Amino acid sequence: EAQVTQNPRYLITVTGKKLTVTCSQNMNHEYMSWYRQDPGLGLRQIYYSMNVEVTDKGDVPEGYKVSRKEKRNFPLILESPSPNQTSLYFCASRKSGTGNDQPQHFGDGTRLSIL
Amino acid sequence: AQSVTQLDSQVPVFEEAPVELRCNYSSSVSVYLFWYVQYPNQGLQLLLKYLSGSTLVKGINGFEAEFNKSQTSFHLRKPSVHISDTAEYFCAVSEAGSNYQLIWGAGTKLIIKP
Repeated sequence: EAQVTQNPRYLITVTGKKLTVTCSQNMNHEYMSWYRQDPGLGLRQIYYSMNVEVTDKGDVPEGYKVSRKEKRNFPLILESPSPNQTSLYFCASRKSGTGNDQPQHFGDGTRLSIL
Repeated sequence: AQSVTQLDSQVPVFEEAPVELRCNYSSSVSVYLFWYVQYPNQGLQLLLKYLSGSTLVKGINGFEAEFNKSQTSFHLRKPSVHISDTAEYFCAVSEAGSNYQLIWGAGTKLIIKP
């Protein structure tokens, strides 16, 4: 089954304790992206990756890191989490296609609470 | 696309009634348009998309949307809603030839009243 898998689904942690949210896709997609979803703000892009070893900042990259060492994986790293990073996070992937006309496939989300 | 506006944060509607969820965007170039649906405690999934051609687009679960270039709108409609349509709906736009990024609306929660 084609899917984007995120782990963990839920996490409660404390300020300053490094954490990693993993994302893996089995569709051989070139493009992957991380979003955060907050009430009333819709989805805001954190980082994206056009392909292996190619990453770029989205709209709200502060406090986050990513890496793309393999095509299927795109982990999101919070080196020193703070309470304002409490949010619902989504990983997405899509084929690059001939342009940006390809739909994105989303994981089920990771709900992070930073105390 | 510079911005995407979903005019209603919530839309309550009775079961079996028609519904329209509004989406307007601002852009000076050609665009691709998408509607995604997010069911409770799930990720987003594609409902329908407009790339080119016919301005009336049909999607899954009986939804359709109409692209209106002059009004820069892409409203989502369904003639008769069901309780299972309870979800949040997101409009998203990308500009043809841009750097592959989507601009998202803030979402509209569809609330179905029995």
